[in-house]
Amino acid sequence: SQQGEEDPQALSIQEGENATMNCSYKTSINNLQWYRQNSGRGLVHLILIRSNEREKHSGRLRVTLDTSKKSSSLLITASRAADTASYFCATDPGGSNYKLTFGKGTLLTVNP
Amino acid sequence: SAVISQKPSRDICQRGTSLTIQCQVDSQVTMMFWYRQQPGQSLTLIATANQGSEATYESGFVIDKFPISRPNLTFSTLTVSNMSPEDSSIYLCSVAGLRNQETQYFGPGTRLLVL
Repeated sequence: SQQGEEDPQALSIQEGENATMNCSYKTSINNLQWYRQNSGRGLVHLILIRSNEREKHSGRLRVTLDTSKKSSSLLITASRAADTASYFCATDPGGSNYKLTFGKGTLLTVNP
Repeated sequence: SAVISQKPSRDICQRGTSLTIQCQVDSQVTMMFWYRQQPGQSLTLIATANQGSEATYESGFVIDKFPISRPNLTFSTLTVSNMSPEDSSIYLCSVAGLRNQETQYFGPGTRLLVL
């Protein structure tokens, strides 16, 4: 079964607004990663947060991680139409095999 | 990062036939993976392509259906054998372990439609 579960499944906002997506997982992790996918193409890595980190920023992205609740959130501030995409969280249990388990994803639509 | 290309980018195939998808990376990488993404769904890992040895398959995927080759550290192929309409998906390769980082880098995907 999928390790990560994102919510909401779909989110529609206006340009300039903030978008928040959540991810929950079931087992212990070494790190959690967020990826973006445009129109069924390849995935682009956005940000990685380790299990000993609580918050991380990258440009307009802010990721939080709560290992006690086994959850993470991705905040995109001041959204743009170009942010329209599917966003996936992926969990890495650690070890040397770098295997990821992906959540179901959130489809974000940013309306101009 | 790594530049990853896949061929073909898309194909339409008849049931019962096989298709081989190629994945080429512009640098040597230890870990290569193949994923399937069914329409409107998330990614499911098919297997880890191991250089010089047999691929490691995830539960629900078998070598007879998805044979994988990894002849060197920059190239891999995935074959979808004896295809049925249920195999219609996007197939993606990815790499990890660049500079010992956990980040995965993905190819653009191969969109397969089986009629």
